[in-house]
Amino acid sequence: GESVGLHLPTLSVQEGDNSIINCAYSNSASDYFIWYKQESGKGPQFIIDIRSNMDKRQGQRVTVLLNKTVKHLSLQIAATQPGDSAVYFCAESNPTPLVFGKGTRLSVIA
Amino acid sequence: GAVVSQHPSRVICKSGTSVKIECRSLDFQATTMFWYRQFPKQSLMLMATSNEGSKATYEQGVEKDKFLINHASLTLSTLTVTSAHPEDSSFYICSARDGGLAYEQYFGPGTRLTVT
Repeated sequence: GESVGLHLPTLSVQEGDNSIINCAYSNSASDYFIWYKQESGKGPQFIIDIRSNMDKRQGQRVTVLLNKTVKHLSLQIAATQPGDSAVYFCAESNPTPLVFGKGTRLSVIA
Repeated sequence: GAVVSQHPSRVICKSGTSVKIECRSLDFQATTMFWYRQFPKQSLMLMATSNEGSKATYEQGVEKDKFLINHASLTLSTLTVTSAHPEDSSFYICSARDGGLAYEQYFGPGTRLTVT
């Protein structure tokens, strides 16, 4: 099946700055997208989701943007903190089982 | 709400033995459960989907006779790795879908399997 891919396997950000993590998806039939955070040795932790009838959704310090034209998803983290250091995955569904992208490791520099 | 637990969190077994991993939905009924495998520095790869009371559907390349999945109740699914080999060492993560919600998947904390 088609899979979700990610740009930039690693991202280093200064504490307090904003982070932007990108994701390209290839299945145009996907209509639900989620961002997960995974810390070492733990399961994925839900961050935020968005359905295909939206192009932006905001949570606490996080925003997800969806561009269906170019099949692109991004996660913006405002005022990045050391506790945000983790691997971030995007995932898609329609509503098949979630398919995960490769992941981006976010490192926050204090 | 929507808590999924796994047991054990870590297990070490000898090559050739079998090991069972349990996945439970604690506060909801999971009509569908999913098993993922994650190798170091890689993403989660779907192994199989199980619906309560029916046989699991395995992804291409996953041996159904090696990875036995049982979803006997709405709150419990088990994954048994039979005749484990060192290459089966991985992080196994289960996920459950609430019967009333089509999209949301809730993930367990994972089980680290090491085969010596």
